[in-house]
Amino acid sequence: DVKVTQSSRYLVKRTGEKVFLECVQDMDHENMFWYRQDPGLGLRLIYFSYDVKMKEKGDIPEGYSVSREKKERFSLILESASTNQTSMYLCATKRLLVDQETQYFGPGTRLLVL
Amino acid sequence: AQTVTQSQPEMSVQEAETVTLSCTYDTSESDYYLFWYKQPPSRQMILVIRQEAYKQQNATENRFSVNFQKAAKSFSLKISDSQLGDAAMYFCAYDGGSQGNLIFGKGTKLSVKP
Repeated sequence: DVKVTQSSRYLVKRTGEKVFLECVQDMDHENMFWYRQDPGLGLRLIYFSYDVKMKEKGDIPEGYSVSREKKERFSLILESASTNQTSMYLCATKRLLVDQETQYFGPGTRLLVL
Repeated sequence: AQTVTQSQPEMSVQEAETVTLSCTYDTSESDYYLFWYKQPPSRQMILVIRQEAYKQQNATENRFSVNFQKAAKSFSLKISDSQLGDAAMYFCAYDGGSQGNLIFGKGTKLSVKP
């Protein structure tokens, strides 16, 4: 079974703080994704990575950056947290980019920015 | 750009009965995949069922089946013999883009009444 873990289930931060959300997968998947989930909006793609040190912007990258130094680990960074970044953040992985393989999701991190 | 629409924000079903969740999508591609994901309250998002667009046969997984109408760009999910554990948010998702990410609908919250 694919296992995708996220560093925190719940996080409370203050405006202006730098926030790190980490995702780790144990299945040697090439592709990793960060989504943001908001009520009534579904899931929206922030960034994704198809290889170590490679990253691509998704639909809503503003205010975020990412890091992938190792294949199994994909970090989402909020450089200066703002209240409008209060949300649920979901990490996902997929085996190959060219095939429409199933994406596997982590448990999510619910972030509150005060 | 591809879009996915779930027109039912909330649905309710009596235990042991059948319910159908609607999903429509828009794409100019001919080859793509469609998914239904389930997200129980405070729990991990998991795959329910997937459909490959080039396959005419509707996918089935135990009590879950889809009605895939490619020409109409419709992909509904039928849950038979509903159980209390089926209560969750259900997301319809499309995968066919070059980025390899999923495009999600806004979700349908399903309640199951005992």
